[in-house]
Amino acid sequence: DGGITQSPKYLFRKEGQNVTLSCEQNLNHDAMYWYRQDPGQGLRLIYYSQIVNDFQKGDIAEGYSVSREKKESFPLTVTSAQKNPTAFYLCATSASGASKNIQYFGAGTRLSVL
Amino acid sequence: AQSVTQLGSHVSVSEGALVLLRCNYSSSVPPYLFWYVQYPNQGLQLLLKYTSAATLVKGINGFEAEFKKSETSFHLTKPSAHMSDAAEYFCAVRGGSNYKLTFGKGTLLTVNP
Repeated sequence: DGGITQSPKYLFRKEGQNVTLSCEQNLNHDAMYWYRQDPGQGLRLIYYSQIVNDFQKGDIAEGYSVSREKKESFPLTVTSAQKNPTAFYLCATSASGASKNIQYFGAGTRLSVL
Repeated sequence: AQSVTQLGSHVSVSEGALVLLRCNYSSSVPPYLFWYVQYPNQGLQLLLKYTSAATLVKGINGFEAEFKKSETSFHLTKPSAHMSDAAEYFCAVRGGSNYKLTFGKGTLLTVNP
């Protein structure tokens, strides 16, 4: 079944803890993105990666880290430096070439602080 | 740089009524424009896109949008609302070769029976 898989669906973080959100895709897309969604704020870009072993900061990268060791995977770590991590996190992908304009989204991970 | 303004964070219509969700954009280069829909606790689904071809774009579920360069607008419409249209709608813009999308803050559509 093709698509973007985000896991877990719900995640709870304790004070001072790092947590990692998984994003896996089998669409063979080159680019991958992480967004944070807060009520009434729309989506804000955290990090994006256009190719393997390369990624760039988005608009709100502080307190987050990523890696892109494989084309299929783009995990996001929410570090203890992120003081307000409670949000809905969305992973997206896009192809290269003429169809690169369209971003496709996973189902999201909801992160809460205990 | 690009930006998007969605006028009205909440729009309420009756079933069968016209749906109009407003989006204005700012872009220093010819833009690509998108409308996405999000149902509760789900990801975003693409409704339609404008990529410099026809200015009137038809999407899924009976939605359409018209690109008006003079007004820097890309409003989303549907002639007759259905209960299943209740969701949050996001307008997004991408400029030039940059991969990045800039999203509006969203408009929550409620449909009353």
